Amino acid sequence: GQNIDQPTEMTATEGAIVQINCTYQTSGFNGLFWYQQHAGEAPTFLSYNVLDGLEEKGRFSSFLSRSKGYSYLLLKELQMKDSASYLCAVRDSNYQLIWGAGTKLIIKP
Amino acid sequence: DAMVIQNPRYQVTQFGKPVTLSCSQTLNHNVMYWYQQKSSQAPKLLFHYYDKDFNNEADTPDNFQSRRPNTSFCFLDIRSPGLGDAAMYLCATSRGEGAEYNEQFFGPGTRLTVL
Repeated sequence: GQNIDQPTEMTATEGAIVQINCTYQTSGFNGLFWYQQHAGEAPTFLSYNVLDGLEEKGRFSSFLSRSKGYSYLLLKELQMKDSASYLCAVRDSNYQLIWGAGTKLIIKP
Repeated sequence: DAMVIQNPRYQVTQFGKPVTLSCSQTLNHNVMYWYQQKSSQAPKLLFHYYDKDFNNEADTPDNFQSRRPNTSFCFLDIRSPGLGDAAMYLCATSRGEGAEYNEQFFGPGTRLTVL
């Protein structure tokens, strides 16, 4: 079966750095997405990786290792508004998105 | 601004009473999706349309139906809602195959309560 694993919840301090990990087992790979979802709201697109390496976008960076079936989302200079769930999703060989359950990130002052 | 709109944002229905959720988009995207998301769970794809081609997920109950009368609109019909159908229903769009990212753009969701 296809599977995406992420930690259920993480806590970090305002101004700090946090890394959210995602491991996947899917039938084929055509890209990995990270989405942010605030409570009661829709997911919004953060980043996309299809090749190995690090993609940087302001305070957020995303890393991919296809050989390890592994990605992480790195958030720097954390702000209170970053409190949200972060969902990892992998596009499989049929171009279907397989979603993780999300990591709830709690930011403390 | 180009966007994905869902109405209503909150819907309350009675057990067994049919309900329709609507989604419209101004992005002119080829693909439209309906997801069901329960608290602290991954979004679960119910079905998607590539233009007028309908694709039903194998485990989507028959109780859920969908219509896409034109590019801009898509509807989710729940014929006989059960208590287990209470969830957030998310509509999303994407450009379709060949786009570099082909990320999905989500509407704000409709939270369905079944009494």
